[in-house]
Amino acid sequence: GQNIDQPTEMTATEGAIVQINCTYQTSGFNGLFWYQQHAGEAPTFLSYNVLDGLEEKGRFSSFLSRSKGYSYLLLKELQMKDSASYLCAVGTDSWGKLQFGAGTQVVVTP
Amino acid sequence: GAVVSQHPSWVICKSGTSVKIECRSLDFQATTMFWYRQFPKQSLMLMATSNEGSKATYEQGVEKDKFLINHASLTLSTLTVTSAHPEDSSFYICSASGDSGRADTQYFGPGTRLTVL
Repeated sequence: GQNIDQPTEMTATEGAIVQINCTYQTSGFNGLFWYQQHAGEAPTFLSYNVLDGLEEKGRFSSFLSRSKGYSYLLLKELQMKDSASYLCAVGTDSWGKLQFGAGTQVVVTP
Repeated sequence: GAVVSQHPSWVICKSGTSVKIECRSLDFQATTMFWYRQFPKQSLMLMATSNEGSKATYEQGVEKDKFLINHASLTLSTLTVTSAHPEDSSFYICSASGDSGRADTQYFGPGTRLTVL
């Protein structure tokens, strides 16, 4: 079956760094995605990894190891507005089907 | 960037009634649209994949006769929740892709919150 695991909640202070881990076991793999979702809103795209390694985009970086079925999202210089749920999702076919993890609620404190 | 709209943004209905939710791609042609459901503090669960002009493909456990999906044009897909019950209360989100459904070019709608009394 499909299994995507990520921590339920993480708390960090403003200006700090937080790393959200995601492990996956899926029947297909066509990329690993990270989305940000604020309460009551739709997810917004953050990053996409299809090859092993680190992708950096401003304050956010995402890493993938396909052999380990592992990814992480790194949030640097945390801001209060970064308080949100972060969803790890795996593309399981070539037509865009996504399987989502349950999300990690990040709470940024002053 | 590409914009996807949903209508209505929220709806409250009585048990037993049917509710239609629209998903529109405003500035691109969406060959593939996806419908998700999200219960509070849970993940997005894919319900079905919809390709323009063909029948939707439903995920295991999703009743196709209860959740009717129509993708009649390249800019509009609709989800109808038939004979809604309180357990159908959820946040329904669509996403649209214009590039053969590639997930890195998917755009999410703002979601529709359905409450069934």
